[in-house]
Amino acid sequence: AQSVAQPEDQVNVAEGNPLTVKCTYSVSGNPYLFWYVQYPNRGLQFLLKYITGDNLVKGSYGFEAEFNKSQTSFHLKKPSALVSDSALYFCAVIFYNTDKLIFGTGTRLQVFP
Amino acid sequence: EAGVTQSPTHLIKTRGQQATLRCSPISGHTSVYWYQQALGLGLQFLLWYDEGEERNRGNFPPRFSGRQFPNYSSELNVNALELEDSALYLCASRFDRGNQPQHFGDGTRLSIL
Repeated sequence: AQSVAQPEDQVNVAEGNPLTVKCTYSVSGNPYLFWYVQYPNRGLQFLLKYITGDNLVKGSYGFEAEFNKSQTSFHLKKPSALVSDSALYFCAVIFYNTDKLIFGTGTRLQVFP
Repeated sequence: EAGVTQSPTHLIKTRGQQATLRCSPISGHTSVYWYQQALGLGLQFLLWYDEGEERNRGNFPPRFSGRQFPNYSSELNVNALELEDSALYLCASRFDRGNQPQHFGDGTRLSIL
């Protein structure tokens, strides 16, 4: 079955430290991968996407993600976390020609001052 | 450029009633998607409309329905409301198909008493 997994419910990071939010996917074929962020009482904001090309994708607010085909992973990273990065992060995948976004369960990022 | 707008922000209903949620996509976007974000269940795909037609639906009963108007705005209708329908309903729009990201509104919080 096609799916996407976020193995960590919560990630805690000190401000200024690097952060990683993990995402793995299971698919037959080539997926389109996305990261979204959700702040309290708001909708989802698009951060970045991987379609094809360079495995390292740069997105909004200093975030980047690395696509690893052999490990079927698409981890979200940021070199230096900010308290304002604290939010709920969703990894999502669209499988070719389906147009349906399949979301992971979300990871709550808490950045401590 | 105005983003995806949803109305109302909050909606309170009782069991058995009917609810109508509205969504206006970003100008130029022809596809509209509906998702349910229920506590503990994550984000679930509900419906996809494109050019006025329903293109795909998620694993939801028929009492969840909707439509897309000629101006590409959309309505989600939920009949015979049940307590478990309490959730944040998110609308997203996208230009064309394929690898373009979906852009989300801030949602309608539906509470069933």
